[in-house]
Amino acid sequence: DQQVKQNSPSLSVQEGRISILNCDYTNSMFDYFLWYKKYPAEGPTFLISISSIKDKNEDGRFTVFLNKSAKHLSLHIVPSQPGDSAVYFCAASARSYKYIFGTGTRLKVLA
Amino acid sequence: NAGVMQNPRHLVRRRGQEARLRCSPMKGHSHVYWYRQLPEEGLKFMVYLQKENIIDESGMPKERFSAEFPKEGPSILRIQQVVRGDSAAYFCASSQDRDMNTEAFFGQGTRLTVV
Repeated sequence: DQQVKQNSPSLSVQEGRISILNCDYTNSMFDYFLWYKKYPAEGPTFLISISSIKDKNEDGRFTVFLNKSAKHLSLHIVPSQPGDSAVYFCAASARSYKYIFGTGTRLKVLA
Repeated sequence: NAGVMQNPRHLVRRRGQEARLRCSPMKGHSHVYWYRQLPEEGLKFMVYLQKENIIDESGMPKERFSAEFPKEGPSILRIQQVVRGDSAAYFCASSQDRDMNTEAFFGQGTRLTVV
């Protein structure tokens, strides 16, 4: 039962362009969403989050959009930099400490 | 302020042995979570602990796995009689409180390999 889905296992983007990572969920009870970034052999690092009462949250080059009716969220990175190359996980929780993670999207930013 | 510390980073065990994974939360954090990442999968919740209490172990396999967070010292995830399928990356996270909308901070993980 995959409640949080990241359907694109990988994505390649040219440096300076926009990276768009997508995430879909099935549980309408989810009310808090997060994006984590993970480099090889390291733990996930928190990137940005959004509460279900908002539809957009921005932090520097990173913006997360939430479309509750479509049960879809996306992470935009602009401009993309080579150092952004990593695996990105979206996660969701339903008024709970328990995060449900997607399977991740490997982003490669080409110089 | 040191982050979440996990040790060892890498652990190799033969089938049937015991594995002990340690996690020291960030300073000031009293809530600890363990997640497991199998190859090509996302992180899966295992257990949530506070000091001396297991709050939610709904993600723990029913047998061979146990966790504790004693009053003093790190949280321990213990796997008895390991099997090849236990090979995975085990991540610990901590948070300051259990406010629903707060992010957890992850350690670097322990990569367990069962040979």
